[in-house]
Formats: sequence, structure tokens, C-alpha cells
Amino acid sequence: DQQVKQNSPSLSVQEGRISILNCDYTNSMFDYFLWYKKYPAEGPTFLISISSIKDKNEDGRFTVFLNKSAKHLSLHIVPSQPGDSAVYFCAASMYNNNDMRFGAGTRLTVKP
Amino acid sequence: DAGITQSPRHKVTETGTPVTLRCHQTENHRYMYWYRQDPGHGLRLIHYSYGVKDTDKGEVSDGYSVSRSKTEDFLLTLESATSSQTSVYFCAISPGTVWGYGYTFGSGTRLTVV
Repeated sequence: DQQVKQNSPSLSVQEGRISILNCDYTNSMFDYFLWYKKYPAEGPTFLISISSIKDKNEDGRFTVFLNKSAKHLSLHIVPSQPGDSAVYFCAASMYNNNDMRFGAGTRLTVKP
Repeated sequence: DAGITQSPRHKVTETGTPVTLRCHQTENHRYMYWYRQDPGHGLRLIHYSYGVKDTDKGEVSDGYSVSRSKTEDFLLTLESATSSQTSVYFCAISPGTVWGYGYTFGSGTRLTVV
């Protein structure tokens, strides 16, 4: 039962343009959401998070948007850079719960 | 990441043999986790620990056991390895529950069961 879904396995964008990665979840009890970036042969690294009391969180070029009614979140990267090419995982959790659920990942390729 | 190391990085083992993977941290974090990554599934939690000798099951715990006798070490054991356990295994650490913290992951162990 995949409670966190990333329906786009891959995304390709041009350098300097916006990258938008999408994530849907089914469990309405999730109240904390995270994005991780993963390079080949490395572990995932934490990128940005958002709690359910907010609908937007920004950190430099990265912005996460949360639409609770649609159970949807998205990660915007502006402007995209070739170094952003990686697999991005969306994750979700409940307050004080250690079982963080991950999506299957989206491979982002940023072309120079 | 310098604060967390996994060993071995790669292992090939035969079906039916026991296998132990090690996670070592130098951050003195309370929580440690074992995940497996498989295509189409993302990362799935196997077991986690919230202190020395305190562990609990995750989403895919069948066929796995864990032990934590010291704060810095978290061991994952495949009691009798099967081909379905071929995967990349990641250890993660955090100072608290996921709320407010992003986990720090190790570089992974690629396990192949033949």
C-alpha cells in the first residue's frame, strides 16, 4: 500500500528553467512532509520540509508547496542547475511517529 | 556522510546464509533506522531503534532482526537470506522523531543474494 506516490519517474528540464516535482499522498494523518535528494552511490540527503500548518516553505532556490485538501505537495527549483540532476524522494510522516513513508522517486535531469 | 558509516558497502551472499550489516554513528543521536531501497518502492523502513536495546518494527520487518547494544552501533541481520532481500540498504540517524528533523543517511550497502 503506497501511501506516498510520485507518479513521474523522470523529468527533464533546461538549465535556468523551473523544475516542478510532484507528490501525492493518501493518508490524511500525515502532517509533516520532506524532500530528499539522492545522487548515485550516495545516501539520500535532506533538502527541505514543511509541516501541515503551512502551505509554503522556501529555502533559497527550493520551495515546497502543500495543498492539504488535494493531498498534494510539490517541490519547485528555480533556477534549475545541472548539479540538481539527481533522484528526488518525497516523504511523509505523522507527529511523533518514526515511520516515515517515501515515494518511489523522480529522476530529475537538468540539461546545460 | 562523515557522522554515519555503513559496512560493508557491497556484499554478495548465498541463499539461506545469515548476513549482518553494520551501521556506526559518531553523532550520539538517539534514533537509528534501517531502510531498504527497491525500484518502484522508494525507501521502506525495516526496523528502527529509539535507544540502546530499544527497537521496533517497521513496514517490512519480516526476515530481519536488529540489535543495538551501544548508542553508536545498529546491526541489521538477515537470518536466512533470500533473493527477495537483494536490495540497497540504508541506515539513517536522527536526534529526535522525524518532526523537525531530516534524517541523515549513510551511503548504503548493496546486498546481492544469489
